Amino acid sequence: KQEVTQIPAALSVPEGENLVLNCSFTDSAIYNLQWFRQDPGKGLTSLLLIQSSQREQTSGRLNASLDKSSGRSTLYIAASQPGDSATYLCAVFSGTYKYIFGTGTRLKVLA
Amino acid sequence: DTEVTQTPKHLVMGMTNKKSLKCEQHMGHRAMYWYKQKAKKPPELMFVYSYEKLSINESVPSRFSPECPNSSLLNLHLHALQPEDSALYLCASTKGGTGNEKLFFGSGTQLSVL
Repeated sequence: KQEVTQIPAALSVPEGENLVLNCSFTDSAIYNLQWFRQDPGKGLTSLLLIQSSQREQTSGRLNASLDKSSGRSTLYIAASQPGDSATYLCAVFSGTYKYIFGTGTRLKVLA
Repeated sequence: DTEVTQTPKHLVMGMTNKKSLKCEQHMGHRAMYWYKQKAKKPPELMFVYSYEKLSINESVPSRFSPECPNSSLLNLHLHALQPEDSALYLCASTKGGTGNEKLFFGSGTQLSVL
């Protein structure tokens, strides 16, 4: 059974710092991995999608990497801003419509 | 239009009430999803419709009844809910019918069952 874990569970950093969020999954047989952002009480916004054949994806200050063989993905946020404060979730797609979500990292960027 | 629209945003209902949640997308997506999310937990899949047919029911209690009247609309009918059903209900969609694509989420309906 696929399990997805995110470390750390919570993170507080000063504005301007570069940071890395981690996502681990137990079954390497995935089709893709997505990173999402969720603001309190709101829906999820897809940030980056990495197909299983890809190693990384970039969008603006965000860079996500995927090492399928080791069951790991990282989300790198450059020059963090207070507006980046949110919960970040990763999700792996293993087929049959099932995205398995990680436990999330609650990020607070201090001004 | 790259939005998934959910109504209502908030809903309070008693255990004997019947209510419905509505979800719309006009992106031409062929798969639509219902997720349930409790506070500080990840979303949990409830139902998936692909090409307007129910493809997945994750053993959800019958007090939740999904409906897909057309390719743009998804409903979730609620009846005789329990207080533990209080949660954020999220609708999502993907472009193709396989699910191996970017998930687009609505902003959710915050449900409270009294």
